Amino acid sequence: NAGVMQNPRHLVRRRGQEARLRCSPMKGHSHVYWYRQLPEEGLKFMVYLQKENIIDESGMPKERFSAEFPKEGPSILRIQQVVRGDSAAYFCASSPPITDTQYFGPGTRLTVL
Amino acid sequence: GESVGLHLPTLSVQEGDNSIINCAYSNSASDYFIWYKQESGKGPQFIIDIRSNMDKRQGQRVTVLLNKTVKHLSLQIAATQPGDSAVYFCAEKRNSGYALNFGKGTSLLVTP
Repeated sequence: NAGVMQNPRHLVRRRGQEARLRCSPMKGHSHVYWYRQLPEEGLKFMVYLQKENIIDESGMPKERFSAEFPKEGPSILRIQQVVRGDSAAYFCASSPPITDTQYFGPGTRLTVL
Repeated sequence: GESVGLHLPTLSVQEGDNSIINCAYSNSASDYFIWYKQESGKGPQFIIDIRSNMDKRQGQRVTVLLNKTVKHLSLQIAATQPGDSAVYFCAEKRNSGYALNFGKGTSLLVTP
């Protein structure tokens, strides 16, 4: 039973480029969450999605960041025109309907040069 | 602002001893609490959770205690093993929300 999958595991981008992070939830899970973790800090919520719907994006920066969870395929977190401050670990979590427990993937470590 | 915080950033215990990791939260509307273990370079791994209508829950070698009066949460690990060395995060969620609100983490180091 595969867990939450994220790719790539490591991503290096130069300032101004775009970063695309992918997340495939656990089988049977229809809820996806994205979190960001800075070094030696806890995770910070960014966005919560269900299939084809953004439910809560209160933690997403207003500019350059977007997320989607299409009917088919993985959830995508997209960061346009990356800056050095975007360097962090980005974690995806998933949960089945009507449950609070979130299961996390291994993360994508984004480095902006 | 409202926060979830941990009392100690680092905890060192000897192998075989019991470990207690503490966490304070400030929002009385929090109704769901969860502990995660994060090893270096990996994602948070679910350990145990508890709802606000309970004050204690036990798992395999772990126990979570919730004191709503003082807004305090603790994770107890029995017979700590070297494989328990990691950073432990507590997180809370409000009934009306979706996001888990994480604390900064406690680093647990198990020495032989």
